[in-house]
Amino acid sequence: QVQLVESGGGVVQPGGSLRLSCAASGFTFSHNDMQWVRQAPGKGLEWLTYIDFGGDKKHYADSVKGRFTISRDNSKNTVFLQMNRLRREDTAVYYCVKGLDCHEWGQGTLVIVSS
Amino acid sequence: DIQMTQSPSSLSASVGDRVTISCQASHDIGNYLNWYQQKPGKAPKVLIYDASNLETGGPSRFSGSRTGTDFTFTISSLQPEDIATYYCLQYDDFPYTFGQGTKLEIK
Repeated sequence: QVQLVESGGGVVQPGGSLRLSCAASGFTFSHNDMQWVRQAPGKGLEWLTYIDFGGDKKHYADSVKGRFTISRDNSKNTVFLQMNRLRREDTAVYYCVKGLDCHEWGQGTLVIVSS
Repeated sequence: DIQMTQSPSSLSASVGDRVTISCQASHDIGNYLNWYQQKPGKAPKVLIYDASNLETGGPSRFSGSRTGTDFTFTISSLQPEDIATYYCLQYDDFPYTFGQGTKLEIK
């Protein structure tokens, strides 16, 4: 079955950087688009970014454009989210999501931006 | 950007009640809408995809429908395990957008 396992979360100071990873299994990773969605504590869901199956097409939410970068390594079945210039408002659980239609989700990894 | 207006933001109902949640899109999104259930501390789980298709293995009391840019999610007979927050998502165009969520409680 589809498994998406996020890692890399933790506590980081404002202005710092963090790289999230999502290890995928149970499906043909190189044939599937991938995305990241986040949820701030007690808040709703916010779509962040998309990458197509080949890594050529990418889209970003305005809130992270220029600070976050999505990438993937199809040889390792892994998608990444490089987060730079982090702000307190980036504190959230970050979910890795499979497919153009956001069908399957990982369990999330918590990022806390705090001094 | 496409705005998704979800209502109500919270809902209290009794076991056995029929419950409906709405999402209105600011633009035509076709059937590119999913409904998710999220329980505390858990990841969202898709219940309805493409506006009206029940996810495999999903209880038949869940359903979705579309009229133009108005989408409705229905629980035909509320069960205690349905207590959760529900979200719609449009995936017709980037940036994708979620509804604000509906927190469902048992009366």
